[in-house]
Amino acid sequence: QKEVEQNSGPLSVPEGAIASLNCTYSDRGSQSFFWYRQYSGKSPELIMFIYSNGDKEDGRFTAQLNKASQYVSLLIRDSQPSDSATYLCAVSRGFQKLVFGTGTRLLVSP
Amino acid sequence: SAVISQKPSRDICQRGTSLTIQCQVDSQVTMMFWYRQQPGQSLTLIATANQGSEATYESGFVIDKFPISRPNLTFSTLTVSNMSPEDSSIYLCSAQTGDEQFFGPGTRLTVL
Repeated sequence: QKEVEQNSGPLSVPEGAIASLNCTYSDRGSQSFFWYRQYSGKSPELIMFIYSNGDKEDGRFTAQLNKASQYVSLLIRDSQPSDSATYLCAVSRGFQKLVFGTGTRLLVSP
Repeated sequence: SAVISQKPSRDICQRGTSLTIQCQVDSQVTMMFWYRQQPGQSLTLIATANQGSEATYESGFVIDKFPISRPNLTFSTLTVSNMSPEDSSIYLCSAQTGDEQFFGPGTRLTVL
């Protein structure tokens, strides 16, 4: 079992729709959870992090965490073609050493 | 946030040789890390670069193959030693500021 699992996709959504990206993790000691966006040929960019159960909103992005289910998700509202990228979920026991999932490729069609 | 630069951005090397990658951060940071991203795959942590002491390596990575230096709080180097084609990858450094970890642009290494 991988430590961090994501569906590789691609996840295809039309412009303006909500994109829902999911991630599960195996280490119950994980305390902090990160979402990165990676465009092809570029390095990962931090979108947001969450460490408490529930929702955390930042602009069009909402991270959701359920530690009991070992599940974290990222919602992107009003998806734009520029959101087309690979989204990486990362977890950490602290806020330092990150374990990454393999990423979900998102395609937003105009 | 931290602005991170890496040199070189890419290189093509012959097997058996070594390459040193430099990582510079625009501010002092406590934690710096080195990751590898192999083609089509996600990021794997190689080691934590500790200032003033030996790096902490993850399982599967050893100092003889990936020696790391961290002479101060803004700079680190990763050397890929005695390279083979399997070392072809993107190598990324990252820096921790507060709760957030930011990545450099990466070094794309091809070993022939």
